[in-house]
Amino acid sequence: SYELTQPPSVSVSPGQTVSITCSGDKLGDKYVSWYQQKPGQSPVLVIYQDVKRPSGIPERFSGSNSGNTATLTISGTQAMDEADYYCQAWDTSTSYVFGTGTKVTVL
Amino acid sequence: QVLLVQSGSELKNPGASVKVSCKTSGYAFSSFSMTWVRQAPGRGLQWVGWINTNTGNPTYDQGFTGRFVFSLDTSVSTAYLQISSLKPEDTAVYYCARVNSGFYSLDFWGQGTLVTVSS
Repeated sequence: SYELTQPPSVSVSPGQTVSITCSGDKLGDKYVSWYQQKPGQSPVLVIYQDVKRPSGIPERFSGSNSGNTATLTISGTQAMDEADYYCQAWDTSTSYVFGTGTKVTVL
Repeated sequence: QVLLVQSGSELKNPGASVKVSCKTSGYAFSSFSMTWVRQAPGRGLQWVGWINTNTGNPTYDQGFTGRFVFSLDTSVSTAYLQISSLKPEDTAVYYCARVNSGFYSLDFWGQGTLVTVSS
């Protein structure tokens, strides 16, 4: 089965930029979404189709996807961005597989 | 606005069955498929599968065939997940989420239903 690998955790200082990677075989050929999940809450879609932001998601969230790696970048990180982040890939063979998840800590 | 409201927490004995509901509002139910996602305590998100709300055709991910069944009641815009022969390892929060095929993503989520399997 298809697997997506993320770093377990990353840390960032307030106001700085943090990038979270998501690795999978030929991931650049698939559509990637990113979800934010805060403790005790449901996931929220923050990036879809690799680079697009849903309505209401701040501009500091951006995405990219090429080769075997997709990346979620948070610029000017705020304390409220502390959460778990999951990538997800879609194509006709993998359907909606999730990444392993990354805990972002804002120090 | 789009809302997905799930049924409340369940405590079940091993071997029992449970049926979780996901009642939707604010959009045309049959125009968007529904997916189910499992999150075991302290663990990541795991895709269970999805159901085409127009045809009723379900698709289950590997490891979720046999005991997991999706169903619909389009008259009340509600999707269901039934799990039979429950095992302690089924203990998790189960989420329903709307499939936005144009986005290739899950754009609205229910609040989650905690299913606890314990004797």
